[in-house]
Amino acid sequence: NAGVTQTPKFRVLKTGQSMTLLCAQDMNHEYMYWYRQDPGMGLRLIHYSVGEGTTAKGEVPDGYNVSRLKKQNFLLGLESAAPSQTSVYFCASSRQGSSYNEQFFGPGTRLTVL
Amino acid sequence: DQQVKQNSPSLSVQEGRISILNCDYTNSMFDYFLWYKKYPAEGPTFLISISSIKDKNEDGRFTVFLNKSAKHLSLHIVPSQPGDSAVYFCAASGGGSQGNLIFGKGTKLSVKP
Repeated sequence: NAGVTQTPKFRVLKTGQSMTLLCAQDMNHEYMYWYRQDPGMGLRLIHYSVGEGTTAKGEVPDGYNVSRLKKQNFLLGLESAAPSQTSVYFCASSRQGSSYNEQFFGPGTRLTVL
Repeated sequence: DQQVKQNSPSLSVQEGRISILNCDYTNSMFDYFLWYKKYPAEGPTFLISISSIKDKNEDGRFTVFLNKSAKHLSLHIVPSQPGDSAVYFCAASGGGSQGNLIFGKGTKLSVKP
């Protein structure tokens, strides 16, 4: 099992460009999450999904959109990238969304917006 | 306002000694706490957790202690090894977070040989 994979690993964008980050999991998990990690800020939840076809906003959703068309995939889109979106993005998945909730993380995507 | 706080950005410990990483929280409704470990250029990996109905959970060299009255938890690593050098994140769930995890900012542990 590959667990949680993320594509691409690195990307440099110019302000105003768009891109999509892909997350895939092979553990048949219902819940999937997108986080961003900034220096000294820990991990902050952008959007999450409780199942195929559903999405919800997290703590810092502005400037991002997501889609969960297939259970195993969770896409994060930036329609018009801004320098403030320079960050490391982590995808995670979990079997369920109860309090007893171990999340499994991907290796991250390092995005730089110039 | 931060609900989960890790007030020490870094900690340096000698190999073989005990490492103690601390975490404070403000939401008394949190009912599950987790520690994640993160190496550079990798995603966080789950380390150990504790339910709010317990005050201690042990897994090999790692022990997590929970003091609900003080809203404080700590991770003890004994003995510390150089391979333990990483960033450690405390996380909490429950209390209206809909099962989502609320993370602290992390503590960077350096274990010196």
